[in-house]
Amino acid sequence: KNQVEQSPQSLIILEGKNCTLQCNYTVSPFSNLRWYKQDTGRGPVSLTIMTFSENTKSNGRYTATLDADTKQSSLHITASQLSDSASYICVVSAKRGGADGLTFGKGTHLIIQP
Amino acid sequence: EPEVTQTPSHQVTQMGQEVILRCVPISNHLYFYWYRQILGQKVEFLVSFYNNEISEKSEIFDDQFSVERPDGSNFTLKIRSTKLEDSAMYFCASSGGPRDSSNEQFFGPGTRLTVL
Repeated sequence: KNQVEQSPQSLIILEGKNCTLQCNYTVSPFSNLRWYKQDTGRGPVSLTIMTFSENTKSNGRYTATLDADTKQSSLHITASQLSDSASYICVVSAKRGGADGLTFGKGTHLIIQP
Repeated sequence: EPEVTQTPSHQVTQMGQEVILRCVPISNHLYFYWYRQILGQKVEFLVSFYNNEISEKSEIFDDQFSVERPDGSNFTLKIRSTKLEDSAMYFCASSGGPRDSSNEQFFGPGTRLTVL
């Protein structure tokens, strides 16, 4: 069964600090891995998408890494801001293009304190 | 910037009633999806739709559920006889523009369904 596990479950850091969120997956076949940001009561918003051959991808202060051999990914947030408070969800796709249903992790609930 | 829209934002219904959740995907997208998120739990895939038919569905998507693209813009999810456990946030998503090789899915804001 395809699974995505994330850690930590929740994290509190001070504004301006960096943090790293972890994701492990067992999804086969593997197509791509995505990180989404979800504000409370809102739909997920894509931050990064990485395919098998990509090790790192950045989007502003967000940098995602992927190790397809160990089936691990991380999301690093630099110089955190209050608006970064949200759930960060690791999502894995098992198909190439087309109408592929995604497998979601439970997310890491990040709180940025002033 | 184009976005996925959903209506209503909140739907309250009695157990056993039928509900229809509506979505307007991004206009040039070809693939459409429904997901749900029970309060405090992870987002779960329900169904994907392409070329006017279901491409893939999960175990959750049983005979009580159906999807339809009644015209060129709307994509609907119908629950025939709602149960208490259907209470959740339902997200519509779309993907697959003409030049989109990544198949990035764009999510709507969700409809919160409450079954009493």
